[in-house]
Amino acid sequence: GDSVTQMEGPVTLSEEAFLTINCTYTATGYPSLFWYVQYPGEGLQLLLKATKADDKGSNKGFEATYRKETTSFHLEKGSVQVSDSAVYFCALSDGPNTGKLIFGQGTTLQVKP
Amino acid sequence: GAGVSQTPSNKVTEKGKYVELRCDPISGHTALYWYRQSLGQGPEFLIYFQGTGAADDSGLPNDRFFAVRPEGSVSTLKIQRTERGDSAVYLCASSPDRGGNTIYFGEGSWLTVV
Repeated sequence: GDSVTQMEGPVTLSEEAFLTINCTYTATGYPSLFWYVQYPGEGLQLLLKATKADDKGSNKGFEATYRKETTSFHLEKGSVQVSDSAVYFCALSDGPNTGKLIFGQGTTLQVKP
Repeated sequence: GAGVSQTPSNKVTEKGKYVELRCDPISGHTALYWYRQSLGQGPEFLIYFQGTGAADDSGLPNDRFFAVRPEGSVSTLKIQRTERGDSAVYLCASSPDRGGNTIYFGEGSWLTVV
C-alpha cells in the first residue's frame, strides 16, 4: 500500500541554520503531497502542498519540490527561527479525496537561539 | 465556531468501558474526518463523512469503533470495550468538500485507557 517515510528526529539546529527534512513516498498512482506542522499545544496545520510532479510548494519561507523520479518531497528552509520549533509531518493523498491522508511518522525540530 | 472543536480534550477510562468523543466541525464544512495518532507516530485515517453518510470507513480498526454524524454537522466517535491499545490522540478534521481543499484539524482528544 501507499506509504510515507520521513527522516528520524529530533533535529536540533541553531537559529538561522539551513533546514532539510527528508521525505520519500511509495504510491501506486499520482498522489498529492503535503507538509503539515504541529506547533506545541496546537492542532495540525497545512504548511504547503504540491499536486503534480515538479510542482514546488512554499509557505513561510519553507519549500518542497515534488520529485517523481526520486519519489521525494523534502522540506527545506534557508534560515530557521526559534518559532519554527514544532513537529513536521509529510503526507500524501492518493486520489481526489485530499482529506484522506497517509502520514509519515513526524520529525521534531528544535531550534535553539 | 472559528475552528474544529473536539471534546473532551482529555479522557481517562478503564479498560472495558465505553467512550464517546465529540467533534464540532467548522460551520458549513460538509466533509469530516477522524484520525488516530499514537505516541511518536503520524495520524492514521479512520473514517470520512460526506454530509451524514460515512463515505469511507476503511480505517476503522475493528467493530468496537463506530462513528456517526446524524445531522451532517457534529460527529461522535464511539469506542466500545476499550483496550489499553486504544490509548491515543483522536483527531477530527473538516473541509468544505471532499477534494482539493485544505482540511482543518482540531486539537484532538487524548484518550488514555488504564
